[in-house]
Amino acid sequence: KAGVTQTPRYLIKTRGQQVTLSCSPISGHRSVSWYQQTPGQGLQFLFEYFSETQRNKGNFPGRFSGRQFSNSRSEMNVSTLELGDSALYLCASSLNGWGDTEAFFGQGTRLTVV
Amino acid sequence: QQQVKQSPQSLIVQKGGISIINCAYENTAFDYFPWYQQFPGKGPALLIAIRPDVSEKKEGRFTISFNKSAKQFSLHIMDSQPGDSATYFCAPSNDYKLSFGAGTTVTVRA
Repeated sequence: KAGVTQTPRYLIKTRGQQVTLSCSPISGHRSVSWYQQTPGQGLQFLFEYFSETQRNKGNFPGRFSGRQFSNSRSEMNVSTLELGDSALYLCASSLNGWGDTEAFFGQGTRLTVV
Repeated sequence: QQQVKQSPQSLIVQKGGISIINCAYENTAFDYFPWYQQFPGKGPALLIAIRPDVSEKKEGRFTISFNKSAKQFSLHIMDSQPGDSATYFCAPSNDYKLSFGAGTTVTVRA
């Protein structure tokens, strides 16, 4: 059974640009969540999608957005990149997003903003 | 608002020893209490989790102890092995999200 796939694995972008990251969940999983991991702030929740609907959103500026497609694949977009957006972005999928269902994480996309 | 406080930040244990990591939380709406393990270059992976109506759960060498009144839960790693060297996160959940602690880096010396 394939795990959570995130593409690309590594990205280098310039300040002011925008970026789109992709996440393919485990087959049959309908909930996809995104997290940002940095040495200073740790793992922070960005947003969660289920059946193409955003159900929860973390405390990030509007430059961070996401969406989910009918096949449960998800993308997140960061516009007007800042140096502080450099981080590992992790995607997690689960059957329904409820806390008592296991969340499976991908290996992440390492974004570097220069 | 720091909802989840995890301690210690790091610990070193000898092979065969016991590692104990603690997690204190403020949000009484949390309804599930997992611990995640992360190796370098990998995403976190669920290690063990407990529901709030249970005070202890054991899976192999890993045990969660949960104290609802104190709003604390802990992870005990028995008979620690070098392969247990990793970063551990408590991540209580509610509203479809995990609220991660800052992490504890565990190093097991052979």
